[in-house]
Amino acid sequence: QLVESGGNMVQPGKSLRLSCVASGPTFRNYGMHWVRQAPGKGLEWVAFISDDGNKKYHDDSVEGRFTISRDNSENTLYLQMNGLRREDTAIYYCATEGGSWYYLDSWGQGTLVSVSP
Amino acid sequence: SSELTQDPAVSVALGQTVRITCQGDSLKKYYASWYQQKPGQAPIIVIYGKNNRPSGTPDRFSGSTSGNTASLTITGTQAEDEADYYCNSRDSTGSHRVVFGGGTKLTVL
Repeated sequence: QLVESGGNMVQPGKSLRLSCVASGPTFRNYGMHWVRQAPGKGLEWVAFISDDGNKKYHDDSVEGRFTISRDNSENTLYLQMNGLRREDTAIYYCATEGGSWYYLDSWGQGTLVSVSP
Repeated sequence: SSELTQDPAVSVALGQTVRITCQGDSLKKYYASWYQQKPGQAPIIVIYGKNNRPSGTPDRFSGSTSGNTASLTITGTQAEDEADYYCNSRDSTGSHRVVFGGGTKLTVL
C-alpha cells in the first residue's frame, strides 16, 4: 500500500515536498515513479528513481525544479518541488515499477497540489 | 504533447467486444502497458508487456501489438468496465522518459 501526503495550496514560486510511504518490507526492491494528473486532464509522468536510488530520471517539464529521492530505511519516496508554477497544479500519485521499469504497478491514492496566487 | 495517440472516446454495447488503440513510434520497440481509471480513483494497471494480466484483472481484458499500434481488447464488456483507459510506454528516442497516451473514455451503452 502506498500513501501520499504533503499536497497543499501554495503560491507560484514556492516549494513543497511530497512524501509517499509504502507499507511492507519490499519497498527497497522496487523502483518508484511520480505521476501527476491536472484537473480534468490525462496522466503525465513526472519522475522515476531506481530501487537503490542511484538512477533518477525527470521529465523535461520539471527538470531542474523537481527532484525525486527516497529513504529505504523509512520506506519513503519523496518529491521536492521548487519554483512551482500554475501548470504544476495536479493530483500527484506515486507508483511502484512493474515488470519493466516503465510499467507502473501499484498506485497510491494521490495528493493534491494547487498552485495559485 | 503526448507521443502516444489514443482516440478520445469509444463506446460499446453491453456484452460486446471493444478495441482501444494506442499509436506511437516507441511501440515498434517497446511494449505498452494499459491502465484503467474510474472517476475519483487512482489508475490501476490492467495489462503490461506482450499480454500479461496482473492478478485481479479479469480475463476478458487482453493486449496486443502490431507495428506502431498497441491495442487493449475487452471481450464481453461489462458495465463496470466504463472508465478512462491510458496506455504508456517509454520514450521512442531511448532516453529514460516515460510517456502516456492522452486517454480514451470508454462508454458502455
